[in-house]
Amino acid sequence: GQNIDQPTEMTATEGAIVQINCTYQTSGFNGLFWYQQHAGEAPTFLSYNVLDGLEEKGRFSSFLSRSKGYSYLLLKELQMKDSASYLCAVRGVDSWGKLQFGAGTQVVVTP
Amino acid sequence: IAGITQAPTSQILAAGRRMTLRCTQDMRHNAMYWYRQDLGLGLRLIHYSNTAGTTGKGEVPDGYSVSRANTDDFPLTLASAVPSQTSVYFCASSDRGGQGNEQFFGPGTRLTVL
Repeated sequence: GQNIDQPTEMTATEGAIVQINCTYQTSGFNGLFWYQQHAGEAPTFLSYNVLDGLEEKGRFSSFLSRSKGYSYLLLKELQMKDSASYLCAVRGVDSWGKLQFGAGTQVVVTP
Repeated sequence: IAGITQAPTSQILAAGRRMTLRCTQDMRHNAMYWYRQDLGLGLRLIHYSNTAGTTGKGEVPDGYSVSRANTDDFPLTLASAVPSQTSVYFCASSDRGGQGNEQFFGPGTRLTVL
């Protein structure tokens, strides 16, 4: 099985940087995903890491350390539209495509 | 259409009634999934299908059944609804479930069982 932990809520100011941490304990690992979910909407894909290191996509970056069971999502130059829930999800080696999701981190961006 | 559609958008259902949530994708994805999302618990997998004709149980399958007669459709049935099945239900699909391909989510169905 898998246990995935991420903070419940974070607040940051417009233009600032926020880092959302995700720790996981798994019996096997085959990739980590980050999704963004605005209130009342479907989750949308942000990033995927399967090897250690940093993946950068514009204002968003995601980091993975497999040995530490740790990932973070970095949001730079925060905008009001970034207020959303951010979901960390892990794929195990014995789960053909199946993801285990964390409970999500609600990011509130203030003016 | 492009992507995944779900129907209905929302539904209020009396306990004990049978209900089928519909999900259709037009991306020719092999794998499809049903999740429920509850406050504080995140997304939990109910059932999945790796390819047409096959299905599997997820984390919380009790009280739900699925079928995958073709590539595009993956309906979820509640045989006899109970209040604890009140939730938001998301259908998702991915191209190849075992690889790095991300899952695409439908808009969700908000179900209330009274």
